[in-house]
Amino acid sequence: RKEVEQDPGPFNVPEGATVAFNCTYSNSASQSFFWYRQDCRKEPKLLMSVYSSGNEDGRFTAQLNRASQYISLLIRDSKLSDSATYLCVVRVNSGYALNFGKGTSLLVTP
Amino acid sequence: DAGVTQSPTHLIKTRGQQVTLRCSPKSGHDTVSWYQQALGQGPQFIFQYYEEEERQRGNFPDRFSGHQFPNYSSELNVNALLLGDSALYLCASSLFRQENYEQYFGPGTRLTVT
Repeated sequence: RKEVEQDPGPFNVPEGATVAFNCTYSNSASQSFFWYRQDCRKEPKLLMSVYSSGNEDGRFTAQLNRASQYISLLIRDSKLSDSATYLCVVRVNSGYALNFGKGTSLLVTP
Repeated sequence: DAGVTQSPTHLIKTRGQQVTLRCSPKSGHDTVSWYQQALGQGPQFIFQYYEEEERQRGNFPDRFSGHQFPNYSSELNVNALLLGDSALYLCASSLFRQENYEQYFGPGTRLTVT
């Protein structure tokens, strides 16, 4: 079983829509959680860290459920520029490595 | 504020050859991690360097080795290249003592093995 699992999509949504991505992780010792965004043939860029209490950054809201080992990302009022692959990332408490999901592809259309 | 830089941007090598990739971390960072990203996959952790020592290693063979220099920059070496080593190689920098341990990636080196 993969350590981090995501729905690969693609998610095709119109501009202005709200879209949610989900992610599950298998290691209960996971300590740090992130969402990265990756544009085609570019490097992953940190979108936001995810905290236990949930956190929001503008149109983006991230939630963490440790009991269910589940992370989510909500994007409100989607823009064309939000089109990218969104990577769910987890770090286990005992290590330094980031464990990435395969990513969920989002295409926002006019 | 200089971000993470990597060189070269692209590289084509023949099976069996050796390659060296280079990375300079973001200003103020002291830790460098290397990742391999195959097409359609998420990045896979290769290893991490801090204080010029390998701190953790992922599930990669000994053909993959690295080094960190006193100025925190790092090299990734791959010997006896295989076709399956073709991938985007990403360097990520971070601050070792930072609580949440956020890592910032460079633009990557795209390696093609023929």
